[in-house]
Amino acid sequence: QKEVEQNSGPLSVPEGAIASLNCTYSDRGSQSFFWYRQYSGKSPELIMSIYSNGDKEDGRFTAQLNKASQYVSLLIRDSQPSDSATYLCAVRNFGNEKLTFGTGTRLTIIP
Amino acid sequence: DTGVSQDPRHKITKRGQNVTFRCDPISEHNRLYWYRQTLGQGPEFLTYFQNEAQLEKSRLLSDRFSAERPKGSFSTLEIQRTEQGDSAMYLCASSYGLAETQYFGPGTRLLVL
Repeated sequence: QKEVEQNSGPLSVPEGAIASLNCTYSDRGSQSFFWYRQYSGKSPELIMSIYSNGDKEDGRFTAQLNKASQYVSLLIRDSQPSDSATYLCAVRNFGNEKLTFGTGTRLTIIP
Repeated sequence: DTGVSQDPRHKITKRGQNVTFRCDPISEHNRLYWYRQTLGQGPEFLTYFQNEAQLEKSRLLSDRFSAERPKGSFSTLEIQRTEQGDSAMYLCASSYGLAETQYFGPGTRLLVL
């Protein structure tokens, strides 16, 4: 079992709709959770971080964390063509500095 | 620009050659990380520094790889006797302190022929 799992996609969503991206992790000691966006050929860019159960909203983005289910998700409201990218879920475990990434979900917003 | 910078941005080399990459972290960030990313995969952790001390190395970091961070500022990653399997994007990230957000540089794309 991979430490961090994501559906690789591609996920196609019409412009203006809600895009839902999911991530599961295997280590119950995981403490910090991050969503990075990566455009083709570019480096990862932080979108959201979340540390406690529940929802965290930032503009059009909402991160959701459920530690009991070992599940973290990212919702993108009012999707725009510029949201088309690969979204990487990353996890950091307690007492550990490194980030463990999933393989990413490729999202395409259809105009 | 006060972000993480990396140099070179692209490197093409022949198998067996040595290459060295440089990373300049965000000013005052005391933690610096190296990751490697291959096509279709997420970044994989290689090593990290707190100031000038290298505190963790991944099993991915074979003895052909060495990283330094003299004086706790910029860092270099050297790959000796490159192999075709070393072709990847090498990403550097920095953070201000323990458990803080890691910010990534633009990466160095390496192609080993």
